[in-house]
Amino acid sequence: QITLKESGPMLVKPTQTLTLTCTFSGFSLSTSGVGVGWIRQPPGKALEWLALIYWDDDKRYSPSLKSRLTITKDTSKNQVVLSMTNMDPVDTATYYCALLWFGVSNYFDHWGQGTLVTVSS
Amino acid sequence: QTVVTQEPSFSVSPGGTVTLTCGLSSGSVSTTYYPSWYQQTPGQAPRTLIYSTNTRSSGVPDRFSGSILGNKAALTITGAQADDESDYYCVLYMGSGNWVFGGGTKLTVL
Repeated sequence: QITLKESGPMLVKPTQTLTLTCTFSGFSLSTSGVGVGWIRQPPGKALEWLALIYWDDDKRYSPSLKSRLTITKDTSKNQVVLSMTNMDPVDTATYYCALLWFGVSNYFDHWGQGTLVTVSS
Repeated sequence: QTVVTQEPSFSVSPGGTVTLTCGLSSGSVSTTYYPSWYQQTPGQAPRTLIYSTNTRSSGVPDRFSGSILGNKAALTITGAQADDESDYYCVLYMGSGNWVFGGGTKLTVL
């Protein structure tokens, strides 16, 4: 059974750095064709892809947020960590991590439940 | 930056058929974009419906189907049911490891 779960602070102050952890089970991030991505959704708005890390440690970022994002993985702990610097109230959103199958079929498969992050002083 | 376009809202009668589309602000959607579709109800995480244009994810009823229609990807719901009332998102693989979600379509069944 594949599961993913996001964890991190519910509240951050403007200008702070947000660090979120995705802890997963049921698959290995060292398996060829596997990736873990981060997607966010501001309240009442659309989904937005943020970042992805692939099995071979290749990392990709949304061009509009690239300067603020860092994604890393710890294969032994089955975790992926996303950091976003210089948080602003417009970054208030539910942040999801999701399993990506890459190769023959490229798509986000299983999703975490999401974690709501509020940016406020 | 490329924008992925979806109808903001759509309405369908119970038992009816509806086709939602996923386009590009510039250019045509083809299978090389690996269009996939996700259903989201309020307060819930997205659920994968369709991937690689027309492959149903495990457990998805066959009333959901995907295709390319003209220059867009399409999600068709045949025999709509009340619990199909949700937000639907498409996402396209833009190459070089980049992905773009559409703005979503709010589907009402009434």
